[in-house]
Amino acid sequence: EAQVTQNPRYLITVTGKKLTVTCSQNMNHEYMSWYRQDPGLGLRQIYYSMNVEVTDKGDVPEGYKVSRKEKRNFPLILESPSPNQTSLYFCASSLSGRSASGANVLTFGAGSRLTVL
Amino acid sequence: GEDVEQSLFLSVREGDSSVINCTYTDSSSTYLYWYKQEPGAGLQLLTYIFSNMDMKQDQRLTVLLNKKDKHLSLRIADTQTGDSAIYFCAEKLSNYQLIWGAGTKLIIKP
Repeated sequence: EAQVTQNPRYLITVTGKKLTVTCSQNMNHEYMSWYRQDPGLGLRQIYYSMNVEVTDKGDVPEGYKVSRKEKRNFPLILESPSPNQTSLYFCASSLSGRSASGANVLTFGAGSRLTVL
Repeated sequence: GEDVEQSLFLSVREGDSSVINCTYTDSSSTYLYWYKQEPGAGLQLLTYIFSNMDMKQDQRLTVLLNKKDKHLSLRIADTQTGDSAIYFCAEKLSNYQLIWGAGTKLIIKP
């Protein structure tokens, strides 16, 4: 089944304790992206990756890191989490940022709910 | 700057039509999307429309685009309890970025 898999789905942690949220897709997609969803704010992009070893900042990158060493994986790293990073996080992928149809349809993971105390 | 705006809530009776509205601000040719988020799940694409189209219909869903007013709407005919979800409008800003609305929570009354 074509899908984007995120882990963990739920996590409660404490301020300053480094954590990684993994994201993996099995569709050979070039483009991957991380979003956070907060009530009343919709989705805000954290980082995105156009292909292996190519990443760029989104709208809210502060406090986050990413890497894209392999095409299928795009982990999100919080080096020193703070309470304002409590949120619902989504990973998404699409075939290519330069797809022939131009529509760039995203496939989303089920989400990771993170609470930082 | 670019912004996508939606109402946060919409309440309709089961069997009625739901109309979810969205306004966008970018004036260039672009794609506009509707995604659906069911409780506890990720977002799934419902439909999309290119900005040179006025309307797109797919079974119970009708998308209307008013380019002059930069207004996009999603009509769901014969709304069912399974349509309860948050509906997000999004606009393609570049090959790598979308602008998202805050999402409209559709509440179905029996």
